Amino acid sequence: AQKITQTQPGMFVQEKEAVTLDCTYDTSDPSYGLFWYKQPSSGEMIFLIYQGSYDQQNATEGRYSLNFQKARKSANLVISASQLGDSAMYFCAMSDGANSKLTFGKGITLSVRP
Amino acid sequence: DADVTQTPRNRITKTGKRIMLECSQTKGHDRMYWYRQDPGLGLRLIYYSFDVKDINKGEISDGYSVSRQAQAKFSLSLESAIPNQTALYFCATSDSVAGASYNEQFFGPGTRLTVL
Repeated sequence: AQKITQTQPGMFVQEKEAVTLDCTYDTSDPSYGLFWYKQPSSGEMIFLIYQGSYDQQNATEGRYSLNFQKARKSANLVISASQLGDSAMYFCAMSDGANSKLTFGKGITLSVRP
Repeated sequence: DADVTQTPRNRITKTGKRIMLECSQTKGHDRMYWYRQDPGLGLRLIYYSFDVKDINKGEISDGYSVSRQAQAKFSLSLESAIPNQTALYFCATSDSVAGASYNEQFFGPGTRLTVL
């Protein structure tokens, strides 16, 4: 069975600073994918970034990067130059080798201070 | 127009009532999913369907049923609603491209259901 763990309490960051949101995972599948989604207060789920288990390099998408440490089973999201609009709930999720259904963590609330 | 739509967006119902949540998509995807979100628990998978003839239970299927009426439509039913089914429900779709590094899931806007 797959498991995603997000244990950080609510996170706070000053505008324009970088922040790291932690995610650890557990799976026995050699092939898997790791995702991060953003959920603003309006409720929609916004896909941010993906990392495959066989990818050699850490994924990056604009201000988002994923710090993938396979041996530690961690997939932390790094947001650079935080903006007020980054205030939201952030979910880490994992897919199985068939890249189908997702297992989500409980989420982390990020608040960006002006 | 949104690619994944859910109706209704909000619903208040009473214990014991039957209710159906509907999901439609214009993305042409084969795969569709129903999740529920509870505060502090993240999203959990209820049912998923890889094509019209393929329906599978997810992590928390008890008390729910689904119907895949067409490639574009996937409905979730609560036969006899109970208060602990109060939650935010999401429909999602994904493609099934063989050999793709990943098949992103696209989420609908959610249905907020309250069972009194």
